[in-house]
Amino acid sequence: DGGITQSPKYLFRKEGQNVTLSCEQNLNHDAMYWYRQDPGQGLRLIYYSQIVNDFQKGDIAEGYSVSREKKESFPLTVTSAQKNPTAFYLCASSIVVTGKGTGELFFGEGSRLTVL
Amino acid sequence: AQSVSQHNHHVILSEAASLELGCNYSYGGTVNLFWYVQYPGQHLQLLLKYFSGDPLVKGIKGFEAEFIKSKFSFNLRKPSVQWSDTAEYFCAVNAGSGYALNFGKGTSLLVTP
Repeated sequence: DGGITQSPKYLFRKEGQNVTLSCEQNLNHDAMYWYRQDPGQGLRLIYYSQIVNDFQKGDIAEGYSVSREKKESFPLTVTSAQKNPTAFYLCASSIVVTGKGTGELFFGEGSRLTVL
Repeated sequence: AQSVSQHNHHVILSEAASLELGCNYSYGGTVNLFWYVQYPGQHLQLLLKYFSGDPLVKGIKGFEAEFIKSKFSFNLRKPSVQWSDTAEYFCAVNAGSGYALNFGKGTSLLVTP
């Protein structure tokens, strides 16, 4: 089945540890995104990438890092510099239509990170 | 700063009542508009989208939305809600190529029998 696969689904880490969340897509989409979802805050953009080897910071990039070495993969690292890392993380992908913008986003099932 | 505002954070309706959820955005140029739904325990899925053309768009499960450019609004409507519509609803805006989707804070809808 085509779609977005995020792993792990649940993750527990101690404070001060870096953790990497995986996101893989087989939809052949150019663009990939990481959002953070907190109750009452909606979805806030962490990073996005519209082409391999290029990515842009979103609204809340501090304390996070990403890479885009392959079209189908966009891992997110939550570093120890992130002040409040406990959250639900969503990865998404979309096509990009030149001159018209981003198409519909397809979402993964999310990764819930708890920092103890 | 560019933003997306959803006016109602929590809405409670009885079954068969009509629904309207407000969404306003602050982008000045051409935009692509979306409504997403997140049912309890499920991932986000697209309800409907507007790119161009008829400003009244129809989506899945009887939902529709109207784009009013002069009001920078994209309100979601459903004439008669069902208990199964209980979910969180998100409005999202894309300001064009090079930009990601910007989401509102969401509206939690509870439909009571």
